[in-house]
Amino acid sequence: DAGVTQSPTHLIKTRGQQVTLRCSPKSGHDTVSWYQQALGQGPQFIFQYYEEEERQRGNFPDRFSGHQFPNYSSELNVNALLLGDSALYLCASSLGDGQYGYTFGSGTRLTVV
Amino acid sequence: GQQLNQSPQSMFIQEGEDVSMNCTSSSIFNTWLWYKQDPGEGPVLLIALYKAGELTSNGRLTAQFGITRKDSFLNISASIPSDVGIYFCAGQTYSGTYKYIFGTGTRLKVLA
Repeated sequence: DAGVTQSPTHLIKTRGQQVTLRCSPKSGHDTVSWYQQALGQGPQFIFQYYEEEERQRGNFPDRFSGHQFPNYSSELNVNALLLGDSALYLCASSLGDGQYGYTFGSGTRLTVV
Repeated sequence: GQQLNQSPQSMFIQEGEDVSMNCTSSSIFNTWLWYKQDPGEGPVLLIALYKAGELTSNGRLTAQFGITRKDSFLNISASIPSDVGIYFCAGQTYSGTYKYIFGTGTRLKVLA
């Protein structure tokens, strides 16, 4: 039973470019949340998707956008990359509203140069 | 963004010692979770607490939900080398759906 899978595992981009990160939730889960984890910090909530709609959003600019597909997989897009966007991006899945916690993927390490 | 305060920030202990760490918030939470993160991996859920005053164990791990609902504690007994990692607390909030606010982390290093 596959857990949460994320791709790619590592990525290097140049300032101003755009990036797309991908996530497949754990089997049986229908909700996907995205977190940004800067070096030495705890994860920060970006947004959550359920039934292909953004259900809740954290304090991130509109440069961060997402999408959820009918098979529950999700993408995180970041436009006009800044050096400060360098971080580990974690995808977490849950069943329904996530009341009992999330299952996290291993993350995508994004480096902006 | 908001983060919960964890202490200590890091600690070195000898194998076999007990470990204590805590997490505090200015806000009340109805649920507290504790996660462990190994290098290059995502956080893994260790313990969930759903009621103020609750004490819950998972093997050598014991966690408590503070009675003020603004803090939580995690204890690890008889530490072993594989306990090395970063421990995060997370408080649950609800705004139409549940999301989690994470702490700043406690980095644990165990000396064999």
